[in-house]
Amino acid sequence: GAVVSQHPSRVICKSGTSVKIECRSLDFQATTMFWYRQFPKQSLMLMATSNEGSKATYEQGVEKDKFLINHASLTLSTLTVTSAHPEDSSFYICSAREGLGGGGWGNTIYFGEGSWLTVV
Amino acid sequence: GENVEQHPSTLSVQEGDSAVIKCTYSDSASNYFPWYKQELGKRPQLIIDIRSNVGEKKDQRIAVTLNKTAKHFSLHITETQPEDSAVYFCAASLGGGSNYKLTFGKGTLLTVNP
Repeated sequence: GAVVSQHPSRVICKSGTSVKIECRSLDFQATTMFWYRQFPKQSLMLMATSNEGSKATYEQGVEKDKFLINHASLTLSTLTVTSAHPEDSSFYICSAREGLGGGGWGNTIYFGEGSWLTVV
Repeated sequence: GENVEQHPSTLSVQEGDSAVIKCTYSDSASNYFPWYKQELGKRPQLIIDIRSNVGEKKDQRIAVTLNKTAKHFSLHITETQPEDSAVYFCAASLGGGSNYKLTFGKGTLLTVNP
């Protein structure tokens, strides 16, 4: 299947600093990527939908100024956690839909490896 | 928006037995239902999916059934093995257009005892 790569896999940062996480589709183009957050022993919670060339769509309760999303190309989306605090520590994971355009429902969604963020 | 309920939250079976995980969804317009297996600290891996134009799909020891009328779908694993132990998530999505975002169930921790 298609490959989605996420980097870094683990990052530790100091409180108040910003951290950038990258999500790349390696062998396909993706107009839409998704960012999720997962706390230990919990489900994946969608944070935002990243759209290439336009603003991200954030889920209710997610601070868009704190979690900056940029989808500069068809293969790269980035999530920047700004002014990170210990409560932002979590597993962040992206996914991408294989396929371009809005038509059809035959496209599978693939996940990146995830990024463990620890804010100290 | 979509709401997905998943049961049970934990499931323990003996090796060789079958395991069944059930999910219900709220949005009758949802038409894509994938199942993911996630091992601790790793990415969710798609194990099987079903679309609303079929009622059942099977891949070796794994099968998924969908009842659109009742808005529920189930994962069936037969002849379970210890390596099947993981957290399983169901999800629902309204495919088509740009709205492919997945709404996940809360997950089921499956333990297969040797």
